[in-house]
Amino acid sequence: DIVMTQSPDSLAVSLGERATINCKSSQSVLYSSSNKNYLAWYQQKPGQPPKLLVYWASTRESGVPDRFSGSGSGTDFTLTISSLQAEDVAVYYCQQYYSSRQFTFGGGTKVEIK
Amino acid sequence: EVQLVQSGGGLVQPGGSLRLSCVASGFTFSKYGMSWVRQAPGKGLEWVSSVSDSGGSTYYADSVKGRFTVSRDNAKNTLNLQMNSLRGEDTAVYYCAVGGGYYSGAAWYMRPFDSWGQGSLVTVSS
Repeated sequence: DIVMTQSPDSLAVSLGERATINCKSSQSVLYSSSNKNYLAWYQQKPGQPPKLLVYWASTRESGVPDRFSGSGSGTDFTLTISSLQAEDVAVYYCQQYYSSRQFTFGGGTKVEIK
Repeated sequence: EVQLVQSGGGLVQPGGSLRLSCVASGFTFSKYGMSWVRQAPGKGLEWVSSVSDSGGSTYYADSVKGRFTVSRDNAKNTLNLQMNSLRGEDTAVYYCAVGGGYYSGAAWYMRPFDSWGQGSLVTVSS
């Protein structure tokens, strides 16, 4: 099974500052034949279902503000919020969809305002 | 607009059964893999099960294998999760989602979970 490990568990960032969340997979989620990383990022606000932000590790979902960006390849990935806004307070999850047998999520990172 | 409307949650005793349903609209249901994800109170997301576009392939988390059964009725645009032998640790909000594996022609594709239902609370307690 692919294990997804996120860090940190939580972080507090001042408004307008950068927030960086890391995600590491226990094995590569890069399909060599397509050169695509099967890695997604989700945002979940209290009382709401998760929302897809980024897929293929770096492609923003339609309608997602460009302050959100994903990067990385293979086993190491990063979600960056370039200028934190109040509405970005949420828990963020990474997920691998490389293995159809186990679509594992990371443990989540809670982002708060400092 | 994609809509996923869930039903079927509630309170059940340990060892009991419950069936969740998710009715989809706004997209061609039969062309997409579908999945279930749960979230225990105050905890993170846990993938539970997925079914391919045709329903021919199903996958389960180890924690529910042998107890839960995922199915779909493409004629009714409905996804189901039959949950048997329920335990306290199955208490969670269950979400259906569009995403997982599907066939296009002879090729197998995987996609992330890009639309979610509103969630159904399942409480297992005596």
